Amino acid sequence: QSALTQPASVSGSPGQSITISCTGTSSDVGSYDLVSWYQQHPGKAPKLMIYEGSKWPSGVSNRFSGSKSGNTASLTISGLQAEDEADYYCCSYAGSSTYVFGTGTKVTVL
Amino acid sequence: QVTLKESGPALVKPTQTLTLTCTFSGFSLSTSGMRMSWIRQPPGKALQWLARIDWDDDKFYSRSLKTRLTISKDTSKNQVVLTMTNMDPVDTATYYCARIDFGSFSYWGQGTLVTVSS
Repeated sequence: QSALTQPASVSGSPGQSITISCTGTSSDVGSYDLVSWYQQHPGKAPKLMIYEGSKWPSGVSNRFSGSKSGNTASLTISGLQAEDEADYYCCSYAGSSTYVFGTGTKVTVL
Repeated sequence: QVTLKESGPALVKPTQTLTLTCTFSGFSLSTSGMRMSWIRQPPGKALQWLARIDWDDDKFYSRSLKTRLTISKDTSKNQVVLTMTNMDPVDTATYYCARIDFGSFSYWGQGTLVTVSS
């Protein structure tokens, strides 16, 4: 059960769009529509931003969108804002009632 | 309103057993379909899923830590307990409990930092 692979860092200017990739395998990301994304500000608990690959929990901005192609899931943040600067983690169901998280991506707003 | 809060020792010695409690409110773990998990995060590192317990008392564990973990629940107290045996300095982390909805971790506790040191 290896961690899903994410880029260590992604940056963008305010108003721009950025995309974070999350690469797994055919045993996790590729097999299930159960990828979720979490935002974590320093010293805080993670916050669910996307579930079931592309759905928004109540209260989450639609500037965040999720998608998947094959074994890779992606999170796109549109209209980047200063408050979006945080760490982001993907997570996938991995079968047999287990889960695997990604390596994490630090988003910097320039 | 759903709330979760972790509690337990801030410091444990190597080889000791860690016991953490998650006390929650706003829902019942006896409700059909309800599931909860423990997740940890070493300082400056990524999240790691540890264990899950379901409303029907089914239990599931991370393959890499399965031999050291036990998850249990006390429905009457609205608590989920995680024990981890043979603690090592590499187990130093913030430990979170979370509720699972639609295959994702929808509600999280604030986390509790556990340091393993002699």
